[in-house]
Amino acid sequence: DIVMTQGALPNPVPSGESASITCQSSKSLLHSNGKTYLNWYLQRPGQSPQLLIYWMSTRASGVSDRFSGSGSGTDFTLKISSVEAEDVGVYYCQQFLEYPLTFGSGTKLEIK
Amino acid sequence: EVQLVETGGGLVQPGKSLKLTCATSGFTFSTAWMHWVRQSPEKRLEWIARIKDKSNNYATDYVESVKGRFTISRDDSKSSVYLQMNSLKEEDTATYYCTTSGGGHWGQGVMVTVSS
Repeated sequence: DIVMTQGALPNPVPSGESASITCQSSKSLLHSNGKTYLNWYLQRPGQSPQLLIYWMSTRASGVSDRFSGSGSGTDFTLKISSVEAEDVGVYYCQQFLEYPLTFGSGTKLEIK
Repeated sequence: EVQLVETGGGLVQPGKSLKLTCATSGFTFSTAWMHWVRQSPEKRLEWIARIKDKSNNYATDYVESVKGRFTISRDDSKSSVYLQMNSLKEEDTATYYCTTSGGGHWGQGVMVTVSS
């Protein structure tokens, strides 16, 4: 199985500052079709996970342009520019290159 | 508007069975691949099963920890997907979500507690 490893944030993050969340996969998620099979989700307190980014860097519909995804085949970053109160929650990365689909353990974001 | 609504959760003893239902609307269910994902009390997310559409022979896939115990199925006439859970264990305690392929839509989740 592909193991997804997420880094921690130096919480709390001051409002208006940027935050970067890292994720590493145990196998390259870059497919021969040129796409990278990585999603990012945000789970706000008391809610279901919400898709933020797919194909490593494509924002889902309705997602603020303050969120951006980047990376290589095995190392990924979700950047949140100018964090706001509504960004509070746990962020998860997920690979969908192969089954079983696997998630990172989550990175909590708190705002000061 | 896309909606996914899970039902059927509850408290069940180890070794018993439970069947979850995910009723959907707002998209073309018959061509959608559907998944079940669970979240443990420690908030870890685990993908557990997927079912493809009719053109792909309703092929299924499972995580190793539930193979032989859980069965995913669907009824295209009811736009619903199901998860039959047998021989439940305490470690199956979680909130269970159904999702569309790609992760773009999730239900609100349903809690399953396995305890004696």
